[in-house]
Amino acid sequence: DSGVTQTPKHLITATGQRVTLRCSPRSGDLSVYWYQQSLDQGLQFLIHYYNGEERAKGNILERFSAQQFPDLHSELNLSSLELGDSALYFCASSVGGTEYGYTFGSGTRLTVV
Amino acid sequence: AQSVTQLDSHVSVSEGTPVLLRCNYSSSYSPSLFWYVQHPNKGLQLLLKYTSAATLVKGINGFEAEFKKSETSFHLTKPSAHMSDAAEYFCVVSKYSSYKLIFGSGTRLLVRP
Repeated sequence: DSGVTQTPKHLITATGQRVTLRCSPRSGDLSVYWYQQSLDQGLQFLIHYYNGEERAKGNILERFSAQQFPDLHSELNLSSLELGDSALYFCASSVGGTEYGYTFGSGTRLTVV
Repeated sequence: AQSVTQLDSHVSVSEGTPVLLRCNYSSSYSPSLFWYVQHPNKGLQLLLKYTSAATLVKGINGFEAEFKKSETSFHLTKPSAHMSDAAEYFCVVSKYSSYKLIFGSGTRLLVRP
């Protein structure tokens, strides 16, 4: 157990639907990152939150949004889902910058049918 | 800008023989470099990290990597492969003190009995 908790582990939904992925960071970590892993794109950085504030955006579609709550858990919202959104979505947390390394959760596997 | 190239998409070794996974990086700044491992249906686990201290970095499970600035390389090695080492390995680069990790495309390590 890495200390980063992601729920649900698996999600199957239809095109056009909206889903929410949840992440609880490791205790004491203020930063939360979201990554998407797909066969064709590899691991892509989506977004970074630090203590409730958005700090950086990567290759995140406009249909996707995220937030970090006062208790530091984060949610990634994916809407108007398309088949191509099927992927493994990882959350990671860290206490500071990358020199500390990230701790990854076990991911949420999203299948859009 | 930072980028990382993993030179082999698949590496196959026999149990008990040495492992070499190759990684070259490109960075305009003094980089932080990492190796992560992903076992099937699992999250990403940090193996080791280089953040401008010793050039030879020792990680978990007997792995180590050497930072060679002149060759812009950060190859991962292990003297003797174990069946449990079979997984996908990612070389990762980041600008020191930044928050964004840039992942290589991954190398799948197969270990033959």
